[in-house]
Amino acid sequence: GQQVMQIPQYQHVQEGEDFTTYCNSSTTLSNIQWYKQRPGGHPVFLIQLVKSGEVKKQKRLTFQFGEAKKNSSLHITATQTTDVGTYFCAGHDYKLSFGAGTTVTVRA
Amino acid sequence: DTGVSQDPRHKITKRGQNVTFRCDPISEHNRLYWYRQTLGQGPEFLTYFQNEAQLEKSRLLSDRFSAERPKGSFSTLEIQRTEQGDSAMYLCASSSGGRDRNYEQYFGPGTRLTVT
Repeated sequence: GQQVMQIPQYQHVQEGEDFTTYCNSSTTLSNIQWYKQRPGGHPVFLIQLVKSGEVKKQKRLTFQFGEAKKNSSLHITATQTTDVGTYFCAGHDYKLSFGAGTTVTVRA
Repeated sequence: DTGVSQDPRHKITKRGQNVTFRCDPISEHNRLYWYRQTLGQGPEFLTYFQNEAQLEKSRLLSDRFSAERPKGSFSTLEIQRTEQGDSAMYLCASSSGGRDRNYEQYFGPGTRLTVT
């Protein structure tokens, strides 16, 4: 079955710095979705990528889908305390196959 | 507020007891999903409904687990003879769905189950 791996598992970031989290799949993905889960909360949809090489931006967040559609990345610039949480990528084939997530903490 | 509601939010039960959880999806969504999440892990797919039809069940879903969506609206997830390993957050999500397109899923707040 589809397996999605995320690295790093934890990311400790100084406020104002940039960071990237990576998502790799064992199989080619038809599309990929990213979710954010705040501490004590539930996953909230961020974005969906469908096309090979697709890049989408949401303010300080940049999402990229690999050319082979087997990997994806999320890059956050100028990290803020509101970015705290766990970011999940999920292969989407009607059901979501989540990675273990990257948990982000921010040092003020 | 995503519009998906779950009840109860917390459940503490003794090993061997049966529990039932309810999920009310966003009303216009035809797809409903159940996931289970343990600490430090991403949600794991359990089962999926399109309208009232249960289309897939994960191998994680042993015969102690059963889910229903009788009228294509709300859904229930029942766990019989609970075990300590069943302790987790049970998440419900709903989405629209088309033949050739997958839409974003909206998650409810979850039901946290603790089996003692």
